[in-house]
Amino acid sequence: GEDVEQSLFLSVREGDSSVINCTYTDSSSTYLYWYKQEPGAGLQLLTYIFSNMDMKQDQRLTVLLNKKDKHLSLRIADTQTGDSAIYFCAERASGTYKYIFGTGTRLKVLA
Amino acid sequence: GAVVSQHPSWVICKSGTSVKIECRSLDFQATTMFWYRQFPKQSLMLMATSNEGSKATYEQGVEKDKFLINHASLTLSTLTVTSAHPEDSSFYICSASTSGEQETQYFGPGTRLLVL
Repeated sequence: GEDVEQSLFLSVREGDSSVINCTYTDSSSTYLYWYKQEPGAGLQLLTYIFSNMDMKQDQRLTVLLNKKDKHLSLRIADTQTGDSAIYFCAERASGTYKYIFGTGTRLKVLA
Repeated sequence: GAVVSQHPSWVICKSGTSVKIECRSLDFQATTMFWYRQFPKQSLMLMATSNEGSKATYEQGVEKDKFLINHASLTLSTLTVTSAHPEDSSFYICSASTSGEQETQYFGPGTRLLVL
């Protein structure tokens, strides 16, 4: 079945780059997403990538997709304390609009 | 654009009562709405998918009679937790997508339910 995995925690210093990794299993996924969740809040869509792309950049965010290894990463440049949150990757199951979410990575930015 | 609201943002109720949670798309027509449940420090688990005017499609293991979903209009879906029990306490999040952009779901801020 479909499965999306992420490391649970990441801690970085303010100003450094953060890289959050995600692996998925559905080789026919067409869209892959990154969401941010701040404490007690819903999910904020950060960016998404089509499966026929290798990279997408949006200001401080860079998404890299390695389809062969089914590996997705989110790089946040110049990480700020306001970036501290939980980051979820998600894949859209082929043929449906159903999202499969990863376990979430808790990013802590140290001042 | 693409704002989704939920009401209430949090609710405390006694065991055995029913609780209704509303999900509204404020600036677009949501042909499809989704309801998720999130336990502390865990990921989102899809409960059901609803299309406007149709019966909701529930995920395996989700009780239809326990979690009643109504998607009566293109801007409103409701989730009613019937005869709530403490184990129903959770964070409930809805999302919505449009017919023209079905690839993307826009999420509401969530509703925290605590059943005493």
